Amino acid sequence: EIVMTQSPATLSVSPGERASLSCRASQSVSSNLAWYQQKPGQAPRLLIYGASTRATVIPARFSGSGSGTEFTLTISSLQSEDFAVYYCQQYNNWPPITFGQGTRLEIK
Amino acid sequence: QVQLQQWGAGLLKPSETLSLTCAVYGGSFTGYYWSWIRQSPGKGLEWIGEINHSGSTNYNPSLKSRVTISVDTSKNQFSLKLNSLTAADTALYYCARRWELFRYMDVWGKGTTVTVSS
Repeated sequence: EIVMTQSPATLSVSPGERASLSCRASQSVSSNLAWYQQKPGQAPRLLIYGASTRATVIPARFSGSGSGTEFTLTISSLQSEDFAVYYCQQYNNWPPITFGQGTRLEIK
Repeated sequence: QVQLQQWGAGLLKPSETLSLTCAVYGGSFTGYYWSWIRQSPGKGLEWIGEINHSGSTNYNPSLKSRVTISVDTSKNQFSLKLNSLTAADTALYYCARRWELFRYMDVWGKGTTVTVSS
């Protein structure tokens, strides 16, 4: 089973600033990586798939990069609605599909 | 726009069987895999398994011995059964959709809280 490790656990950033969230895989997952956003009381929402492709209606301020074992989700200019928990998920070696433990993005 | 509506018993006792159902509205049932995922404070997001319209299933090896996922194409519904429950199965359970060719989930249900307690 591939273990996904996200860092940091919590990231404090001011609105309007840039945020970079990291995700590391225990072995290569090629570009088979997705990012999700989850707000309190809501289900996760797909942001990025294929490591760098934005899902439908996701704003351009969200971007994904990386391949192999190292991935980054960048939010270029944080809006108030972006403060949430973010998860990465690999789908290269399965079953099982596996998720990271999440990064909480909070207002500084 | 496709929506997933899920339901099932929320309070169960140890050793009992969890049973949840998810209905698909507003979209095609074919061409996708239909998944169950759970979320708990201790284990985060955990993929349980999936099924397609033909009944082809994939399960998480860690849960495979206790899980059954089934489909009812006449109702556009799929269901999860998890037996021999323990407190560790207490979680928020989601149903979700993925395209057959891609293994990320693009549509999610709202979740059902399941508590296992004596």
